[in-house]
Formats: sequence, structure tokens, C-alpha cells
Amino acid sequence: NAGVTQTPKFRILKIGQSMTLQCTQDMNHNYMYWYRQDPGMGLKLIYYSVGAGITDKGEVPNGYNVSRSTTEDFPLRLELAAPSQTSVYFCASSYEDGAGGTDTQYFGPGTRLTVL
Amino acid sequence: QQPVQSPQAVILREGEDAVINCSSSKALYSVHWYRQKHGEAPVFLMILLKGGEQKGHDKISASFNEKKQQSSLYLTASQLSYSGTYFCGTDGPISNFGNEKLTFGTGTRLTIIP
Repeated sequence: NAGVTQTPKFRILKIGQSMTLQCTQDMNHNYMYWYRQDPGMGLKLIYYSVGAGITDKGEVPNGYNVSRSTTEDFPLRLELAAPSQTSVYFCASSYEDGAGGTDTQYFGPGTRLTVL
Repeated sequence: QQPVQSPQAVILREGEDAVINCSSSKALYSVHWYRQKHGEAPVFLMILLKGGEQKGHDKISASFNEKKQQSSLYLTASQLSYSGTYFCGTDGPISNFGNEKLTFGTGTRLTIIP
């Protein structure tokens, strides 16, 4: 199993450009998450999904969009990139059995994004 | 609503012990602990559920006091490989779908020197 994979690893964008960060997991996990981590800071939840076709906002969703058409893929779309979106983006997945609480989250290697 | 961790940073010599604390202002269902090395993704260490159960992982253990809404991570006889930033994650507010979101703490940077 490859686990959680993310592409690209690095990207530089100009202000106003758009891009999609890709995330794929091969563990058949139903839940998937997008976090951003600013330098020296903790993880902030952007969006998450509890299954194909179902997504919800996290703590910092402004400027981002997501979709989940399959169990495996959870792309993150940045529209009109701004310098404030310079960060490292992590995708994560977990299997939730609906009994309550949150299970182990497995993280991808991250995408380092710089907006100039 | 973000859990607060203390200390923010700690430097230890190899073989010394450390305690990292995580405190929340909300009632908790579970507490997770992750370690992140510089330039890498966070890696899961352990989960603690309601009931105050203490869990261990090699020389790393943790406790969860749900009444005090606190958790502590104990690193015994620290090794160089323990260096990194430790994050606690707590179950966030109930969402439309239930209790699936983690809110991560502020982080504790641990440096182990020979």
C-alpha cells in the first residue's frame, strides 16, 4: 500500500493564479481531510469529507474548494491564490466506523506552496 | 477552542525524561498524540479514550484525565530519535456528521541532544 499520496511536492504560484492539489489514498478509508500548516505553527483543518459526495468546512475554508467523487481521491482547489495561502498542505485519511470519536489519521507527505 | 500545549519547547539530554501537557477548554471524547519531524508529515503515536486509560508505546506513554480535560505525554529515557514537534489532537465540536474532526494543539518542540 502506498498510503496517502500527494502531488505536487512543491509549487510556486503567482498572485491570482489557481491550482489543484491532488490527494489519493489506497486504504479504502472513508474519511479524508485537508490541513494547512504555516511555518512553526500547528495544523489547521481546511475541509474534510466523510465519504464520496459529502464534504464539510473546517476551521479555515475561505479561498479553497473541495470535491470528493470517489473514495480514493480528495482534491483541494485554490482559486485566486494569495500570499496568505503560502503554507504546507497536508492531506490525511482515516477509517471511521461511526461508533463515535476519531480514529488514527494517516498523513500524506505534504505539498509546499509558495504564492508570490 | 484549540488545545493548549505546554511547554512550547524543551531541550533534553539523551536519557532524560520529559512530560508534555495538553489542555482543552471543552469536554473531550478522545485525545490523539502525533509526532512531526522537521520537513515531514505528522505520524500517529497513540489514542486515549474516555475513561482515563493510560497507554504506552515503547518508552512513550500517555494519560488522559477527562474530568480535567487534560492529557499528558510521558517520554522516558529519551532517545535522539524522539526529537521533533509533538501535537495533541482532540475531538472537535460535534459537526453535521458527528464527532469526526480533530483540533490540533499548539505543538511542543522537543530537542534531544547527545
